[in-house]
Amino acid sequence: AQKVTQAQTEISVVEKEDVTLDCVYETRDTTYYLFWYKQPPSGELVFLIRRNSFDEQNEISGRYSWNFQKSTSSFNFTITASQVVDSAVYFCAGEPAGNKLTFGGGTRVLVKP
Amino acid sequence: NAGVTQTPKFQVLKTGQSMTLQCAQDMNHEYMSWYRQDPGMGLRLIHYSVGAGITDQGEVPNGYNVSRSTTEDFPLRLLSAAPSQTSVYFCASSLGQEIDEQYFGPGTRLTVT
Repeated sequence: AQKVTQAQTEISVVEKEDVTLDCVYETRDTTYYLFWYKQPPSGELVFLIRRNSFDEQNEISGRYSWNFQKSTSSFNFTITASQVVDSAVYFCAGEPAGNKLTFGGGTRVLVKP
Repeated sequence: NAGVTQTPKFQVLKTGQSMTLQCAQDMNHEYMSWYRQDPGMGLRLIHYSVGAGITDQGEVPNGYNVSRSTTEDFPLRLLSAAPSQTSVYFCASSLGQEIDEQYFGPGTRLTVT
């Protein structure tokens, strides 16, 4: 069984501050895939990034960056120079072989102007 | 492409009633799934399908049935609605490989009184 833990339930920042979201994915599988999704106040779920368990390189895409460390099972996500439009609930999710996605409980991010 | 569509957007049922939540996708995706999202929680997998004619149970399948007669459609049936099934239901689809992100529908908000 898989377990996704997002220890931060809510983070509040002022615009232009950086925000780092923590995620820990526990599994016995050696091959798995990790994702971050965003759920804005409108309710839809938007795919942000993905990572497979073979690749521990950090990556940056625009204002988003992510850090995957297999040794600690952590898959952290950073929003640089936050904007009000970044206010949303962010979900970390993991998936071993078999397409059964397991979600964490989510972290609510509030960016104040 | 319309992507993943769900109907209805809102539904109120009385305890014991049955209904079908509709989900369709026009992206020729093999993999489809149903999740429920309860307040303050992440999404939990109800049922999923890896292709037409093939379905399997997720984490919380009790009280729900699914079928997949075509690639495009994946309806979710509530057999006898209970207040515990009050939730937001999301349908998702993906190409079929674990690395592929899932595309989510807009959700159906169901209230059972």
